Parts: sequence; structure tokens; C-alpha cells
Amino acid sequence: ETGVTQTPRHLVMGMTNKKSLKCEQHLGHNAMYWYKQSAKKPLELMFVYNFKEQTENNSVPSRFSPECPNSSHLFLHLHTLQPEDSALYLCASSLSGLISYEQYFGPGTRLTVT
Amino acid sequence: AQTVTQSQPEMSVQEAETVTLSCTYDTSESDYYLFWYKQPPSRQMILVIRQEAYKQQNATENRFSVNFQKAAKSFSLKISDSQLGDAAMYFCAYRSPSYDKVIFGPGTSLSVIP
Repeated sequence: ETGVTQTPRHLVMGMTNKKSLKCEQHLGHNAMYWYKQSAKKPLELMFVYNFKEQTENNSVPSRFSPECPNSSHLFLHLHTLQPEDSALYLCASSLSGLISYEQYFGPGTRLTVT
Repeated sequence: AQTVTQSQPEMSVQEAETVTLSCTYDTSESDYYLFWYKQPPSRQMILVIRQEAYKQQNATENRFSVNFQKAAKSFSLKISDSQLGDAAMYFCAYRSPSYDKVIFGPGTSLSVIP
């Protein structure tokens, strides 16, 4: 596979469930990101990882727990979510530092919390 | 803190015509990068064009060009010879070279009329 992949593409979960979103990049990048995209709202940055270290947590509730075991993989662990957490969750990656700056996005996971 | 504003939530253009999408930003930095991303319906977000702030020459990619006015903090996107495949959400984004955070505007939904 090439680029940035995300699984699953669609997820429906109850408020008491625990699930995880997975992101994988095949571009040799060292920075990875989670974004939340809700209808009628700007793209919201959630977390940034640089060389596996978390460098940004944009005041995200603790029911979202990120994990970055290596520069190619990023997870978002979900538990006790609320209906307002329903959204498209986008993963992105980029090179860090003074080399290149554009982000490459995955197709997203459409999450519905019931 | 940096902010990005897109004042046109929706726009439409006739096929083969030209359309300009507006973007303004606020920053105290002198060196930064600006991007336009395109997100077609139910499809992956992709980079359209990039501009380095230190370059006076406006970036161009085929039918896409920008009008970068650094003093006015304005970064508009011009799409020439619009095609049906140009219909999408367009996001303006700002990135500082000093950290890995990218700030997105709220987006402009572009419709192309056959």
C-alpha cells in the first residue's frame, strides 16, 4: 500500500464501547497527526507526534487516547465516547524539520457514536 | 496565535470559467508556509498548491495559481478553466517552520455548474 491508510473506514459504537482507530503511513515521514472533522466546523487538530513523541495535545478529552509505537503507525483509542464525538477522524503525516512541510492525509474514519 | 480565515463558506463557478477563493491569515512570524488543500466529497484531502512566504513569486500548478500578498496577509487561490472534478471543499492552511502544527481555515465549498 502507498500513502496514508486508515482502518476502519466506518465505525459505529455505543457510548460504553472501547474501540481503536489505526493509521499507517508508507511515506517515510516522521510526524503524524490526528484531526477531527465535524460538519460545519473547521478541521480540529487533536494530537501531533514527532519521532514517536507527542508534541501537541490540543486540549483533547481523556476519552481519546493516542498511541504512536513507531513513526509509521498511529492509533487513537476510544472509550466512553459521547454522541458529539461523532465525526470524520483524519490521520496525516509529514516530514518534520526544514525539509518539507505539506501533510499527506488518509481517507479518514467515519465515526458514529450511538 | 496564528489564525486562518476563509470568508466564503460556499462558492459556485460555471464550467470552464475562472473562480477565486479568498484566504486571510494572521501571524507575527516573517517566515512560514501557506497551502491550499482540496477535499472532494467522500475522498481524501490532497495538496493543491504551496507557497513559501520568503518567495515573492506566486506559486502556480497547472490551472491553479495563488495571489500571495504578504503585507496584506492574503493568500487567494485562482482556478482557471474550472472542471467538474474541481468541485470540493477547499481549505487554506498555515504552517510555521518552527513547529509541526498546521492551522486550517474553515473551508470553502466549491460547486461547478455544467
